[in-house]
Amino acid sequence: GENVEQHPSTLSVQEGDSAVIKCTYSDSASNYFPWYKQELGKRPQLIIDIRSNVGEKKDQRIAVTLNKTAKHFSLHITETQPEDSAVYFCAASTQPDDKIIFGKGTRLHILP
Amino acid sequence: DAGVIQSPRHEVTEMGQEVTLRCKPISGHNSLFWYRQTMMRGLELLIYFNNNVPIDDSGMPEDRFSAKMPNASFSTLKIQPSEPRDSAVYFCASIREAGSNEKLFFGSGTQLSVL
Repeated sequence: GENVEQHPSTLSVQEGDSAVIKCTYSDSASNYFPWYKQELGKRPQLIIDIRSNVGEKKDQRIAVTLNKTAKHFSLHITETQPEDSAVYFCAASTQPDDKIIFGKGTRLHILP
Repeated sequence: DAGVIQSPRHEVTEMGQEVTLRCKPISGHNSLFWYRQTMMRGLELLIYFNNNVPIDDSGMPEDRFSAKMPNASFSTLKIQPSEPRDSAVYFCASIREAGSNEKLFFGSGTQLSVL
């Protein structure tokens, strides 16, 4: 079955700097890669996603890249702000059943 | 729509007791997922249903765990007997249609503490 590895487990960056979180997946049939943000005590919420027919997607300060050959995908946050502090989860999903497997998460700290 | 509704929000029980967690997916969603979240293991997929049918329960830790979905608007996750290592946050989530690659909507979770 699918296995998603996520690094780093913890990341601290200075406010205004960029943050990068990386994930790898094992199942070449995975075709959908969402990213979820979970604030303390809250539920995970989708922030951005990418499909396997696209190499990069951007939404304001957030971007995701996908390398299907290497089975890598990454989340990039630019100009980080205090409200970006949270746990971020990558995930991979395979059709037709949408079995969605998550990485273990990255705790992002934005330092003042 | 009120979103995915889970109950209870918090459950404290003693080892050996039966625990039942409940979930109501968003109306019209036909796929439902149960996840367990711990610091060490992150978000683990326990089981998921499509059109009320269990598709994959390979993530269920052991026979003490069982899940049902008797109809499109209700699912339960039961632990019997419970153990301290079951302490975690249990999330239910739903998606509109399997294979659609759409957003997964999470409930608020149930914080389970087994003493």
